[in-house]
Amino acid sequence: DQQVKQNSPSLSVQEGRISILNCDYTNSMFDYFLWYKKYPAEGPTFLISISSIKDKNEDGRFTVFLNKSAKHLSLHIVPSQPGDSAVYFCAASARTGNQFYFGTGTSLTVIP
Amino acid sequence: GAGVSQSPSNKVTEKGKDVELRCDPISGHTALYWYRQSLGQGLEFLIYFQGNSAPDKSGLPSDRFSAERTGGSVSTLTIQRTQQEDSAVYLCASSPGALSYNEQFFGPGTRLTVL
Repeated sequence: DQQVKQNSPSLSVQEGRISILNCDYTNSMFDYFLWYKKYPAEGPTFLISISSIKDKNEDGRFTVFLNKSAKHLSLHIVPSQPGDSAVYFCAASARTGNQFYFGTGTSLTVIP
Repeated sequence: GAGVSQSPSNKVTEKGKDVELRCDPISGHTALYWYRQSLGQGLEFLIYFQGNSAPDKSGLPSDRFSAERTGGSVSTLTIQRTQQEDSAVYLCASSPGALSYNEQFFGPGTRLTVL
């Protein structure tokens, strides 16, 4: 049973525009959320995180929004750059747990 | 400093053979995770080691899968009697501490192909 879902397997955006990647979760115990970025033949690298006490966290061009009532989070990239082209995974964990639950990923292509 | 390394990067094996995948975590990281990513799927948790505590094996898909971590450092994931459905990228990650809030640092993965 997939507890973290990324329903869009791919997304294409023009350079300079906003990229919005979405993620939904089902477990109300999740209280920490992360986004990872993955290039081909490399392991995922941490991008940005948010805890459930916040509804927004910003780091440069990257902003993560959390809507706890909807069990939804999103990653905004503004402005998008060709180097942002990668697969993005969202992940969630619960304070009481040992593991992160990952979504299936969204492949972002930023068109120059 | 050195990141998480995994070997081999690619492994092709015949159905029924045993394979061993190796992970060298970042020095000083007490937590180590194994995941696998099958085609079109997300990262599937397999096993978690934290210090000298008993590992959390709740994600291992069958008793053909086992893992050990020697001396709190290097870890080996062993798959016995491989099946075609074991074909996937196996990822190892380490983190500085036990708390689930710690960022995980991933290795490049081992791509396993079972013919």
